[in-house]
Amino acid sequence: KAGVTQTPRYLIKTRGQQVTLSCSPISGHRSVSWYQQTPGQGLQFLFEYFSETQRNKGNFPGRFSGRQFSNSRSEMNVSTLELGDSALYLCASRGASSTTSTDTQYFGPGTRLTVL
Amino acid sequence: GESVGLHLPTLSVQEGDNSIINCAYSNSASDYFIWYKQESGKGPQFIIDIRSNMDKRQGQRVTVLLNKTVKHLSLQIAATQPGDSAVYFCAETAGTYKYIFGTGTRLKVLA
Repeated sequence: KAGVTQTPRYLIKTRGQQVTLSCSPISGHRSVSWYQQTPGQGLQFLFEYFSETQRNKGNFPGRFSGRQFSNSRSEMNVSTLELGDSALYLCASRGASSTTSTDTQYFGPGTRLTVL
Repeated sequence: GESVGLHLPTLSVQEGDNSIINCAYSNSASDYFIWYKQESGKGPQFIIDIRSNMDKRQGQRVTVLLNKTVKHLSLQIAATQPGDSAVYFCAETAGTYKYIFGTGTRLKVLA
């Protein structure tokens, strides 16, 4: 199976702009989660979607939003970008495999966002 | 690629030796735990997982130990290789599908 894919891999934006990141989960996985990773804060959960519905949400401002489509692909949007939004944004899809004891998360390579 | 964490605890191990990476988790209600490996410029890669009804699980060259009494998780890597150099994260979840990640440990394998 192909892994989780994310586009674009790198992005440079300026303050005040908005950005949309895309994630395609592993085939058959219906859950997609988004994380923000920074050196100072580590991996922080943004939100999780399942069957086009947001099922869990982390402690991020409303500028961060997402959605999931009927084919399980997901997008994440950040509006009015701030310098502190510079981070690696990771998408993870969740599902079973022969090597895990239960459904687990598999991560994509991430989108590196730089806000100038 | 950019380092995952600038001030992570670092474990330096001689090639061929065994490595033990520790993690203290926070929620006594957590029932599922995972270890991830993250190399520079890449997303976290699943290594091994364990449910709370087990105290040990083995994979290929890796073993995860769970001590629920003291809320402690460890990852043992046998015969550590240069390719094992990375940042290792533990993650916990309490059935909400919201994973909580530890701060990570950087493993450096010395030739």
